[in-house]
Amino acid sequence: NAGVTQTPKFQVLKTGQSMTLQCAQDMNHNSMYWYRQDPGMGLRLIYYSASEGTTDKGEVPNGYNVSRLNKREFSLRLESAAPSQTSVYFCASSVLYEQYFGPGTRLTVT
Amino acid sequence: GDSVTQMEGPVTLSEEAFLTINCTYTATGYPSLFWYVQYPGEGLQLLLKATKADDKGSNKGFEATYRKETTSFHLEKGSVQVSDSAVYFCALTTQKAGANSKLTFGKGITLSVRP
Repeated sequence: NAGVTQTPKFQVLKTGQSMTLQCAQDMNHNSMYWYRQDPGMGLRLIYYSASEGTTDKGEVPNGYNVSRLNKREFSLRLESAAPSQTSVYFCASSVLYEQYFGPGTRLTVT
Repeated sequence: GDSVTQMEGPVTLSEEAFLTINCTYTATGYPSLFWYVQYPGEGLQLLLKATKADDKGSNKGFEATYRKETTSFHLEKGSVQVSDSAVYFCALTTQKAGANSKLTFGKGITLSVRP
């Protein structure tokens, strides 16, 4: 039981490049989330998916798109990366009140 | 909207010292409250929770009591260890159990424990 997995662990992009962050969970959870973590800002919700086939914007959705491919997988896409998107990105899934987090992707945009 | 306010950090303590980390909240309705911990290089994990007023959550020697009258959920531990060094986040949700549990997080506070 791997829990929540994220790939890649680290990524460096140039401004304007695109990439997709992958997330998968093997706990059969309905709800999944993408957060970004920045120093002094805590975690901020980018997008979430309450169930397969649905997605909703969170607090900071601009510059991102998401796909809930199936119940297991929830990907985050940066179409044209900007330096302001340099951050650590966490995926999570939830059951009842508890959210389970992946190990994170550290993204640097130069 | 909902919000969580944590005391400013970082906090540095000696091993076996008493720990208090303050957390207050603003929310509509009756939120459930959480403390999450993030060890270096890892994702967050749930430390403890309380789902109604006067509930006490506890885990690994940490405790927090849901105080509705002061809208607080302060985290305490009687004797910290070096292994408790981590970032601690207070969080809330106003969603009902079983629904999508969208969380609102505080900014987090870094705890360092010296041997």
